[in-house]
Amino acid sequence: SQQGEEDPQALSIQEGENATMNCSYKTSINNLQWYRQNSGRGLVHLILIRSNEREKHSGRLRVTLDTSKKSSSLLITASRAADTASYFCATLIYNQGGKLIFGQGTELSVKP
Amino acid sequence: GAGVSQSPSNKVTEKGKDVELRCDPISGHTALYWYRQSLGQGLEFLIYFQGNSAPDKSGLPSDRFSAERTGGSVSTLTIQRTQQEDSAVYLCASSLFAGGTTDTQYFGPGTRLTVL
Repeated sequence: SQQGEEDPQALSIQEGENATMNCSYKTSINNLQWYRQNSGRGLVHLILIRSNEREKHSGRLRVTLDTSKKSSSLLITASRAADTASYFCATLIYNQGGKLIFGQGTELSVKP
Repeated sequence: GAGVSQSPSNKVTEKGKDVELRCDPISGHTALYWYRQSLGQGLEFLIYFQGNSAPDKSGLPSDRFSAERTGGSVSTLTIQRTQQEDSAVYLCASSLFAGGTTDTQYFGPGTRLTVL
């Protein structure tokens, strides 16, 4: 079964609002990464947080990681219509080489 | 510099035919990964290479699937005797070195495979 589970599965907000997506996982990780996907094609890397980090920022993105709860959240502040996409969390499992295990994704729709 | 490229971008084939999908990683990246994305199964890991060797083939769904990488660069994913359930988007990614705590995988645009 997949490592990551995300919620909500779909999120619809107005431009300017904040969007929060959550991800949970099951086993020890090296890092957790968030990706964006437009129109079902290539994945764009957004941010990586290591297992010994608790929070990371990149522009309008804020990621938190709670290893005790095996969960992470992605916050997009002041959302724009261009943020409309699917967002996936992916975990690099400890001691299992380079493969990423992806969550099911959150489909974000930002209405102008 | 150039990103990960994949070819073809779309492939339509008949059930039972063999197909080859190609991936060109980012120059200097030693690790290369194949994933598959389908409606029912989400994003699934297939195989990864570190250099020319494949330490983890655990995600290949059957022995009809194989992959190779020569010269530490280009990789080919081959699907023999394609079945309709093989229809999916096949994504390739590359990174500097597999498994590092800050190793970031960069994805190509994918090949959409449709098996009729």
